[in-house]
Amino acid sequence: DAKTTQPNSMESNEEEPVHLPCNHSTISGTDYIHWYRQLPSQGPEYVIHGLTSNVNNRMASLAIAEDRKSSTLILHRATLRDAAVYYCILRDPLNYGGSQGNLIFGKGTKLSVKP
Amino acid sequence: DSGVTQTPKHLITATGQRVTLRCSPRSGDLSVYWYQQSLDQGLQFLIHYYNGEERAKGNILERFSAQQFPDLHSELNLSSLELGDSALYFCASSADGAVRGSIYFGEGSWLTVV
Repeated sequence: DAKTTQPNSMESNEEEPVHLPCNHSTISGTDYIHWYRQLPSQGPEYVIHGLTSNVNNRMASLAIAEDRKSSTLILHRATLRDAAVYYCILRDPLNYGGSQGNLIFGKGTKLSVKP
Repeated sequence: DSGVTQTPKHLITATGQRVTLRCSPRSGDLSVYWYQQSLDQGLQFLIHYYNGEERAKGNILERFSAQQFPDLHSELNLSSLELGDSALYFCASSADGAVRGSIYFGEGSWLTVV
């Protein structure tokens, strides 16, 4: 169901920036790009979302390619607490009656952070 | 703390039994979502309710049912339980039905079927 492709795992060093890629070559014009993360033994947590323009919030930045076929989640300074599985998800708010309008999780990228 | 409350946190029951999981959404949120997470299947979307009405169905088994009450809390009923139903069940909520923004997950209910 998930229309995104992410690496299975990535490693980072503490206090260094992390760039988590996501490919979504079949994205439609009304699909929003959402990122969630799941820390061990916790529920998923919202990180950021966007449609066309790059987005920044206190947790991360989202860089969206001009053709929208890929995006990158940027953690500016990784901490040990950022070790989690990161999910890139496409959602179409106009299709709320179908599964496409809901958050359909893929396998995500497991991020490890080394001290 | 996301503001979404799920009970019970842990539950152990036998095959063939029936259980009810409860979810209280964040104050003011009209949408409730249920997800199942098992080791081999990952996070699976089950069902979405908006203001008491079913909005979308995902991979929910016929043995499972859900409802959202007038006070907006929701219950997920699992019956004729099988060993494979052992999983972590998450509830999430959001303010609207079209889910333009973020949704907020609870800490989950661990179900073990023995």
